[in-house]
Amino acid sequence: GDSVTQMEGPVTLSEEAFLTINCTYTATGYPSLFWYVQYPGEGLQLLLKATKADDKGSNKGFEATYRKETTSFHLEKGSVQVSDSAVYFCALSDRYQGAQKLVFGQGTRLTINP
Amino acid sequence: EAQVTQNPRYLITVTGKKLTVTCSQNMNHEYMSWYRQDPGLGLRQIYYSMNVEVTDKGDVPEGYKVSRKEKRNFPLILESPSPNQTSLYFCASSPLGQSNTEAFFGQGTRLTVV
Repeated sequence: GDSVTQMEGPVTLSEEAFLTINCTYTATGYPSLFWYVQYPGEGLQLLLKATKADDKGSNKGFEATYRKETTSFHLEKGSVQVSDSAVYFCALSDRYQGAQKLVFGQGTRLTINP
Repeated sequence: EAQVTQNPRYLITVTGKKLTVTCSQNMNHEYMSWYRQDPGLGLRQIYYSMNVEVTDKGDVPEGYKVSRKEKRNFPLILESPSPNQTSLYFCASSPLGQSNTEAFFGQGTRLTVV
């Protein structure tokens, strides 16, 4: 079945550092790819998405490119802030019996120190 | 404001005492689902529903029940909770039909079964 693998956490960085969180996937079809973020005490919210190969999703300074040849969707940000501290989930979505089925990675906890 | 509302946010209960976690959405979405979040495992789907009176098992349905009598509500029922159901639970909703649409999540219910 479909699966998503994220880099192990937790990740701790200093403010203004460069961030990469690796994500690779396995899917039989042509899934859409997502990054969701979970701030402390809150539910998940969509950070960015890409729906086909070579698409780049971007939001709040974060970027990720859908790489079909390497089955990857790595999350990057050039200069992180303390407010970026959260848990980040990579996910894929494929049609299953007519509905969107989300498959999540294990999550990566990011802590940014001032 | 578009939102998914779960209640309660926190719940401590004893083994075997039936409980219900409510979920309601105001976006007229057809698709609703329940996930549990456990450390190192990400989010795993428990049950989903594609419309009123249409529900089906996700990846980890054992020990759970759901119902969908109205489009906006999708309660999760634990008939006889056990300690291995201690977890963080999320309800989500999205429109039916596309694999690239955003899923909206509730704020989560932290359940402890002692």
